[in-house]
Amino acid sequence: EVQLVESGGGLVQPGGSLRLSCTVSGFTFSKYWMSWGRQAPGKGLEWVANIKEDGSTKNYVDSVEGRLTISRDNDKNSLYLQMNSLRAEDTAVYYCAVSRIAYYFDLWGRGTLVTVSS
Amino acid sequence: EIVLTQSPATLSLSPGERATLSCRASQIISSRLAWYQQKSGQAPRLLIYDVSNRATDIPARFSGSGSGTDFTLTISSLEPEDFAVYYCQQSSKWPWTFGQGTKVEIK
Repeated sequence: EVQLVESGGGLVQPGGSLRLSCTVSGFTFSKYWMSWGRQAPGKGLEWVANIKEDGSTKNYVDSVEGRLTISRDNDKNSLYLQMNSLRAEDTAVYYCAVSRIAYYFDLWGRGTLVTVSS
Repeated sequence: EIVLTQSPATLSLSPGERATLSCRASQIISSRLAWYQQKSGQAPRLLIYDVSNRATDIPARFSGSGSGTDFTLTISSLEPEDFAVYYCQQSSKWPWTFGQGTKVEIK
């Protein structure tokens, strides 16, 4: 069964840090681009960052550039999002997604909630 | 940044009716446009990619069309499980962006 499972979310104070993980199974992780997206409470979807199969290319939405860092470990079938200097507006459910169909998010995890609040 | 504007915000229909959802881009985009369905408390699901291609296991009642700046998702006959929020998404230009969503609710 194809699965993506996020973990690492929680409550963090403004300015704090958090590291999200996404562990995948059921497909060859190292063959595909991977992404993080997010959804603020009651709001729409936002693409945050993506990373090439070998980790050599990364793209970010402007609002997170320099604060959030995407990475991957193909040996561990895992995707990561290091989140630093967190702000209240980063509060959201964070999803990992795979692009087995190039340029699209064809399968998503169930998400992990990050709450930035004092 | 390419802004995607979806209309209407809410569509109130009965099972068996036809649903037509619109997505308008702020500039001409290539064929890299997708539609996703999201049910309450669940992750999004890819329905349509490259404007008109159905993703795996997506029923034939879902279809996509359009070009340039105007795109449409059509659900030919609504089933009870189709009541959800639908998002369009472009991957023509960085950053990839989503529309704000159209909620299809039971009338």
